[in-house]
Amino acid sequence: EDQVTQSPEALRLQEGESSSLNCSYTVSGLRGLFWYRQDPGKGPEFLFTLYSAGEEKEKERLKATLTKKESFLHITAPKPEDSATYLCAVTTGNQFYFGTGTSLTVIP
Amino acid sequence: DTAVSQTPKYLVTQMGNDKSIKCEQNLGHDTMYWYKQDSKKFLKIMFSYNNKELIINETVPNRFSPKSPDKAHLNLHINSLELGDSAVYFCASSQGYQVGPRTYFGPGTRLTVT
Repeated sequence: EDQVTQSPEALRLQEGESSSLNCSYTVSGLRGLFWYRQDPGKGPEFLFTLYSAGEEKEKERLKATLTKKESFLHITAPKPEDSATYLCAVTTGNQFYFGTGTSLTVIP
Repeated sequence: DTAVSQTPKYLVTQMGNDKSIKCEQNLGHDTMYWYKQDSKKFLKIMFSYNNKELIINETVPNRFSPKSPDKAHLNLHINSLELGDSAVYFCASSQGYQVGPRTYFGPGTRLTVT
C-alpha cells in the first residue's frame, strides 16, 4: 500500500539550532516528491520538487534531499519565522499522497 | 491578485443541510483540485479536474459533487451534511497534473457541521 510518513510529528528548536525533518515513502513508481509549508489558517505553500534520488534543492535556510526511500528537509540556523507545519507529498503520476506533516516551532 | 480564492472562509451549518463552496483561480491553470484536511492535519485529495473533465475521483461519498463550469472555476456541493464532514476544504490548481506539478492552494474553507 502506498504510504507517506513524516517524522517527527512535532519539533521545537531554539533559534539557530539546525535540524532535519524526515519524509519516508513507500509508493510504486515515484514520479516526484514535494515539500510544502503550511501556516496556521492558510493553504500549503510550495517549497520544492525533487524527481530523482540524489537530487537536492535549496532555498534560503532550507535544503531538501531525496533518496530512494526518503527525503529530508534540512533547516540551517532556523529563525522564528520558519515556524510552520511542513508537509511532504509524493506522486506516482496518477495518484498524489500527502504525509501528516511536521509541526516546527522555533523559539527565539 | 489572489491566485486561488475560495468562498466562504468559514461555514457553520447543521446536519442534513446542503451547502456549496466556490473556488476560482486566475493563474490560467488547466487543472483544479479539491482537498480535505482533517483535524489531524491529514490532507487528502478528493477530486481533480483537467480542462473541465473529471480526472481523479477518490473514494468520496456521492453526497459530494464537484462542478466545473469553466477552467477557472471548480465548485464543491455537499448534500445532506454529516458531522464527519467537518474539516478544512482546500481548492488548488496546477498546470498539468500527471507528474504532480507545482500546486497552488487556496486559503481553505473551514466547514463545521453541528
